[in-house]
Amino acid sequence: DTAVSQTPKYLVTQMGNDKSIKCEQNLGHDTMYWYKQDSKKFLKIMFSYNNKELIINETVPNRFSPKSPDKAHLNLHINSLELGDSAVYFCASTNSYSGPNTGELFFGEGSRLTVL
Amino acid sequence: QKEVEQNSGPLSVPEGAIASLNCTYSDRGSQSFFWYRQYSGKSPELIMFIYSNGDKEDGRFTAQLNKASQYVSLLIRDSQPSDSATYLCAVNAGSSNTGKLIFGQGTTLQVKP
Repeated sequence: DTAVSQTPKYLVTQMGNDKSIKCEQNLGHDTMYWYKQDSKKFLKIMFSYNNKELIINETVPNRFSPKSPDKAHLNLHINSLELGDSAVYFCASTNSYSGPNTGELFFGEGSRLTVL
Repeated sequence: QKEVEQNSGPLSVPEGAIASLNCTYSDRGSQSFFWYRQYSGKSPELIMFIYSNGDKEDGRFTAQLNKASQYVSLLIRDSQPSDSATYLCAVNAGSSNTGKLIFGQGTTLQVKP
């Protein structure tokens, strides 16, 4: 069973379109994240939810809107896609009460977005 | 100034050698430090974490932390071709308990048979 699963794995779309990525985890974790990895492999946090509450909201264009219907699911909707949005988007999860271990993230396989 | 810095490499070592990967960070309030491995086209996976000064060993991997120098390293002994990957250093953001990690840009390791 896949622990953190993302769909779709690949998206190719035109500038100006809207797209969504979905993420689900079956690890029983209470915290989920969206990270963006650019072409230089730099992995940067975008959002985090803890038990459906938004706890991290980095400096990200408001075209990006996360949503967490429950603690096992986290979605990302992107409006008016731009060329610079092309990247791999990783969903991840963890338990917030792991103490010093907090930061042991379990990543999904990634969703590669290409904007033409 | 980048918050977490790594040499992007590539670092090339022969099979059986020791690979040494280094990382520096800027936030003195950081409490815990992580090394992730990412194979090409795959997702990052945790190798080790460390939060106390000194060394922590796990099999062929040793993480070293020096908070005074704001320096973290990963040593891989008896390097194998299967260790060829990008190694990402990550730091827990200050006193945050949100699990927010700041990643370096990664060091690409190539182990040659």
